[in-house]
Amino acid sequence: GQQVMQIPQYQHVQEGEDFTTYCNSSTTLSNIQWYKQRPGGHPVFLIQLVKSGEVKKQKRLTFQFGEAKKNSSLHITATQTTDVGTYFCAGTAGGTSYGKLTFGQGTILTVHP
Amino acid sequence: KAGVTQTPRYLIKTRGQQVTLSCSPISGHRSVSWYQQTPGQGLQFLFEYFSETQRNKGNFPGRFSGRQFSNSRSEMNVSTLELGDSALYLCASTSFAGTSYGYTFGSGTRLTVV
Repeated sequence: GQQVMQIPQYQHVQEGEDFTTYCNSSTTLSNIQWYKQRPGGHPVFLIQLVKSGEVKKQKRLTFQFGEAKKNSSLHITATQTTDVGTYFCAGTAGGTSYGKLTFGQGTILTVHP
Repeated sequence: KAGVTQTPRYLIKTRGQQVTLSCSPISGHRSVSWYQQTPGQGLQFLFEYFSETQRNKGNFPGRFSGRQFSNSRSEMNVSTLELGDSALYLCASTSFAGTSYGYTFGSGTRLTVV
């Protein structure tokens, strides 16, 4: 079945440093979504990427979808303590994969002030 | 508007018992998905319902079942509980409206099996 690998598993940064997490799917994706889960919380939708090579920005966050629609990345510029949490990518295969998101294992980000 | 509501928030059950969890999606959202989250396995898809029909199912044993009502509210049931069923169970809904199909997750039900 479809697998989504995400690295790194953990990332510790000093406030102000940049952060990047990468996702790689075993199969071509219809789209990829990114979620953030704060400690003790639930996943919160950040963005969806659909097109090959798509790049989207949300303030300090930049999301990319690979040309082959099998990989994606999230880059945070100048991290802040409010960025702490686990970042998940989640892919959908399209077709009859209704409602099924295949999540990566997540990257746990800690930011030291 | 109100978010996705899951009840109860916490539950402690004994091995062998059964449990029913409830999810009320955002008003107007007809698709409801369920996920199991554990430290070891991460977020795993259980099933998805749309207009009272199960359209997709993950790789979980038959002890895990669900249903959706005409008002889009959904329940999931786990029978003959095992220790390994201890997890955070998350419900998510979406409207499939527009071009972004992001899911809104509820706060989850933390199930502990003892």
